[in-house]
Amino acid sequence: QKEVEQDPGPLSVPEGAIVSLNCTYSNSAFQYFMWYRQYSRKGPELLMYTYSSGNKEDGRFTAQVDKSSKYISLFIRDSQPSDSATYLCAMRPMDSSYKLIFGSGTRLLVRP
Amino acid sequence: DVKVTQSSRYLVKRTGEKVFLECVQDMDHENMFWYRQDPGLGLRLIYFSYDVKMKEKGDIPEGYSVSREKKERFSLILESASTNQTSMYLCASRHGQGFNQPQHFGDGTRLSIL
Repeated sequence: QKEVEQDPGPLSVPEGAIVSLNCTYSNSAFQYFMWYRQYSRKGPELLMYTYSSGNKEDGRFTAQVDKSSKYISLFIRDSQPSDSATYLCAMRPMDSSYKLIFGSGTRLLVRP
Repeated sequence: DVKVTQSSRYLVKRTGEKVFLECVQDMDHENMFWYRQDPGLGLRLIYFSYDVKMKEKGDIPEGYSVSREKKERFSLILESASTNQTSMYLCASRHGQGFNQPQHFGDGTRLSIL
């Protein structure tokens, strides 16, 4: 069983829709949670990071962590065609400042 | 902005060749990383370096080695390339202090071993 599970998609939505992207994990030692966006033929870029449970908002993006359920989400409001990309969740355990465990990514397509 | 530059976007090599992948960062970051990215498997850590001449094995180091002689440069070496090393290789760098420091990625090298 993978430490981090993420639905590969693709997820296709119309422009303006609210998008929900999710990851589940099995290791309760994970403390830092990140979302990366990866456009085709580019490297991943950090979108958001959160520490422990709760919500964090940045513009149209909201990251949510539920440690009791070992479940994290990224919500995108008013989705745009430019949001079409692969979204990777990543997690870091408390006892390591180096190691990141990545999900396999969800491919999102926002149709004009 | 942080710039992580990988020397080649696409590379084709033959089985048994020694292959060098180069990565340079311009932000004086202490930490540098090499990952491979495969469909359905996500990013897997091959090696990382927390300082010049220092290195640690990641999750899949077999068949690879690394070199960090200067702070800004981190090289990945495939000692004797095999077809199962065909993949997208991503380099990343990170400032050394603080758990919340993000990793900054290059645009990757797509390596094909024939």
